[in-house]
Amino acid sequence: GENVEQHPSTLSVQEGDSAVIKCTYSDSASNYFPWYKQELGKRPQLIIDIRSNVGEKKDQRIAVTLNKTAKHFSLHITETQPEDSAVYFCAATSPGFYFGSGTKLNVKP
Amino acid sequence: GAGVSQSPSNKVTEKGKDVELRCDPISGHTALYWYRQRLGQGLEFLIYFQGNSAPDKSGLPSDRFSAERTGESVSTLTIQRTQQEDSAVYLCASSLSGASGNQPQHFGDGTRLSIL
Repeated sequence: GENVEQHPSTLSVQEGDSAVIKCTYSDSASNYFPWYKQELGKRPQLIIDIRSNVGEKKDQRIAVTLNKTAKHFSLHITETQPEDSAVYFCAATSPGFYFGSGTKLNVKP
Repeated sequence: GAGVSQSPSNKVTEKGKDVELRCDPISGHTALYWYRQRLGQGLEFLIYFQGNSAPDKSGLPSDRFSAERTGESVSTLTIQRTQQEDSAVYLCASSLSGASGNQPQHFGDGTRLSIL
C-alpha cells in the first residue's frame, strides 16, 4: 500500500509568520492529496485538497503545492494566527486514504 | 443525515470481551473508511468500503478485527477478544467516491474505546 511521510512532527512559529509542512508519498498512482486539521479532542476537518492534474492551489491564507515527479506535496500557511494551532495531517489516496503521522503546529501570540 | 454518525461515543469494556462499533455515513456516500487513532498519534488506516465490498482491508491489525457494511449504509467494526492495546479512538469517514477515491472525506466524532 501507500506510504506517506510527514515532516516536521512539531512546528512552533510566532504569530504572523509562515508555516510549511511537507509530505512525501510512495505510490505514483495516488491522485488526490487532502490536508486535514484536527483540534484537540475533535474530528479531523478538511482544510484544502489538491488533485494530481494541478500543481498549486490557494485558499486565502492556505496553499498547497504538489510535485508529482518528486512525489511530494506541501502545505503553506501564511500570516499564522493562534487559532491555527492544531495537528495537521496530509493524506494520499490510492484509493484507500493513507495519512501522514501529523504535525503539531503551535502558533505563539 | 447531516453528517457521519458514530456510536457509541464512548465504550469501556474488560479485556477479552467483544465490541461492536457502528458508523452511519452521510446519505449517498458510497465510500466508507475506518481508522484507529491512539492518543497523540496519527490516523491508522484499517479498512475501506466501496458500497458493501471492501477493496482494501490491508490495515486490519489482526484477525480479531473485522468489518462489514450493508449496501451503501451502516458499517460495523467488530473487535473480538479485546486487548489493552486496542484502546484508541476509532474514527469513521465517508465520501462520494468512484474507484479513484479522489473525493474529500467527512469524519465522524469517533468512538473512544477503553479496554480495562
